[in-house]
Amino acid sequence: QVQLQESGPGLVKPSETLSLTCGVSGFSISSGYFWGWVRQSPGKGLEWIGGIHHSGKTDHNSSLKSRVTLSVDTSRNQVSLTLRSVTAADTAVYYCVRDGSGAYDFWGQGRLVTVSS
Amino acid sequence: QSILTQPPSVSGAPGQRVTISCTGSSSNLGAGYDVNWYQQLPGAAPRLLISDNSNRPSGVPDRFSGSKSGTSASLAITGLQADDEADYYCQSYDSSLSTSIFGGGTKLTVV
Repeated sequence: QVQLQESGPGLVKPSETLSLTCGVSGFSISSGYFWGWVRQSPGKGLEWIGGIHHSGKTDHNSSLKSRVTLSVDTSRNQVSLTLRSVTAADTAVYYCVRDGSGAYDFWGQGRLVTVSS
Repeated sequence: QSILTQPPSVSGAPGQRVTISCTGSSSNLGAGYDVNWYQQLPGAAPRLLISDNSNRPSGVPDRFSGSKSGTSASLAITGLQADDEADYYCQSYDSSLSTSIFGGGTKLTVV
């Protein structure tokens, strides 16, 4: 069974950088698929951030692209998200997902990240 | 405001059938992009309910079904149960934005 687990700081100061890692078990990232991130602001809907393939190919939400970096570490079977210059509007639960040809078929449990001084 | 429009809420009694609509435009559903549906139970992560308009992943009861026509899609739930109470989201791709998009979500209440 494919399992995804997000990890990283739960509190980030405004203007600083948010960094999260998603560890994947039960499936080798090198076997394929895009691995992405979706966030959900408190009480709000879902927003796709972007995704990365083990080859390094990436795809981003254009509204966040200038602040987002996605990376993959096949040796550790994990993907990472970096979001720069955060504001309170970036406070959200961040989910790691497997992108099964446009449908997100596996989700992590989510990591709440609060942007506050 | 979301590019894919869903009703904020729907409700139904146990055993009844409800439908949730998802309305898009010519740059997403109308352009032929598939729609996927997710169920988010309270306090949980979303889970894939319907993929590629009408396909149920393994483990999803056949009480859930999806359809798509033109710029609209629908999720139908028959034999409504109390534990179907959740938020439901549609998702697709928009060629104008070049990004994956979600609907605003619909809260289903089983009364």
